[in-house]
Amino acid sequence: KQEVTQIPAALSVPEGENLVLNCSFTDSAIYNLQWFRQDPGKGLTSLLLIQSSQREQTSGRLNASLDKSSGRSTLYIAASQPGDSATYLCAVRPNTDKLIFGTGTRLQVFP
Amino acid sequence: NAGVMQNPRHLVRRRGQEARLRCSPMKGHSHVYWYRQLPEEGLKFMVYLQKENIIDESGMPKERFSAEFPKEGPSILRIQQVVRGDSAAYFCASSGGWQETQYFGPGTRLLVL
Repeated sequence: KQEVTQIPAALSVPEGENLVLNCSFTDSAIYNLQWFRQDPGKGLTSLLLIQSSQREQTSGRLNASLDKSSGRSTLYIAASQPGDSATYLCAVRPNTDKLIFGTGTRLQVFP
Repeated sequence: NAGVMQNPRHLVRRRGQEARLRCSPMKGHSHVYWYRQLPEEGLKFMVYLQKENIIDESGMPKERFSAEFPKEGPSILRIQQVVRGDSAAYFCASSGGWQETQYFGPGTRLLVL
């Protein structure tokens, strides 16, 4: 059974820091992995999607890597800003229709 | 190009009442997924539907919950005889195919008193 774990559960950093969020999954047979952002009381915004054949994806200050064999992904946020404060969710897609989510990392960036 | 729409955004029900949650997929999408987020928990898959068909309902509770996606109109998640434990955020996602990216709606927050 696929399980997704995110570490740390919460993170508080000063503005300007580079930071890394971690995601691990137990079954390497995945179709893709996706990182989302969720603001309080809001829906999910897709940040990056990495196909199983890819090693990383970049969008602006965000970079996500995937090591399928070891069951790990990292989301790197460069030069963090207060507007980055949110919960970040990692989700893997097995070779099926559903997404399996981690419980998220709650990030707070203070000025 | 409107995204995934869900209504209502907030719903309050008393124990024993029925809750109906609606989801309109993105234009051109015929695949709909429902997820539930319980307080302080991650999102959990509930059901996957295509037009007029339930494809995968492995995450649906066995009783009181049902879902449909008719030929015309939105997908509906129906919860009968709600209990306090049903209080959660219910998210809908849509895609153009089962292998394609899922786009999420803003969610419906259900509160059962």
